[in-house]
Amino acid sequence: AQRVTQPEKLLSVFKGAPVELKCNYSYSGSPELFWYVQYSRQRLQLLLRHISRESIKGFTADLNKGETSFHLKKPFAQEEDSAMYYCALSGVGDDKIIFGKGTRLHILP
Amino acid sequence: DTGVSQNPRHKITKRGQNVTFRCDPISEHNRLYWYRQTLGQGPEFLTYFQNEAQLEKSRLLSDRFSAERPKGSFSTLEIQRTEQGDSAMYLCASLGGGSRNTIYFGEGSWLTVV
Repeated sequence: AQRVTQPEKLLSVFKGAPVELKCNYSYSGSPELFWYVQYSRQRLQLLLRHISRESIKGFTADLNKGETSFHLKKPFAQEEDSAMYYCALSGVGDDKIIFGKGTRLHILP
Repeated sequence: DTGVSQNPRHKITKRGQNVTFRCDPISEHNRLYWYRQTLGQGPEFLTYFQNEAQLEKSRLLSDRFSAERPKGSFSTLEIQRTEQGDSAMYLCASLGGGSRNTIYFGEGSWLTVV
């Protein structure tokens, strides 16, 4: 069964400190992995996807197939990073996207 | 084009009443999705359309729920005989164009069943 697990409901990090939001997945095939973000009073939006292998707003995420993980990282947290972050997956050839429960990232001043 | 539009944004209804939500996707997006989100949970997939065809329905979508996209543009999600457990945010999203699997979400419709 497809499943996305985000073990942390809340992560508090001081400004300037490194951030790592954990995501593990279960999928019997080769999934596409995504991170979505929802800032306060804004709609859910795509942050990055593993196939792009890009850095967005200083965030990166590497797909580790051996550990079935797709952790989101940023070396130096900024206050504007405070938001809800959702890890998500889609199967190849399947446009349905499955979301994790989300992690609230709170950047402390 | 202002993105995916949903209305009403908020709806309070009495248990047993029917409610309908509307979603207007981004123009020319051929895929349209409905998700449900409750407090402390991520969006849960309900159903999606390719143009006017409903391609998949989640088991979460009981027979009290029906979704349509009659002309392949806007979509409606109707909940009949609402129950308190239906209280949630109903999110619509659309996908199209060259960016595969980049779906764009609306702001959602909050349903409170009292």
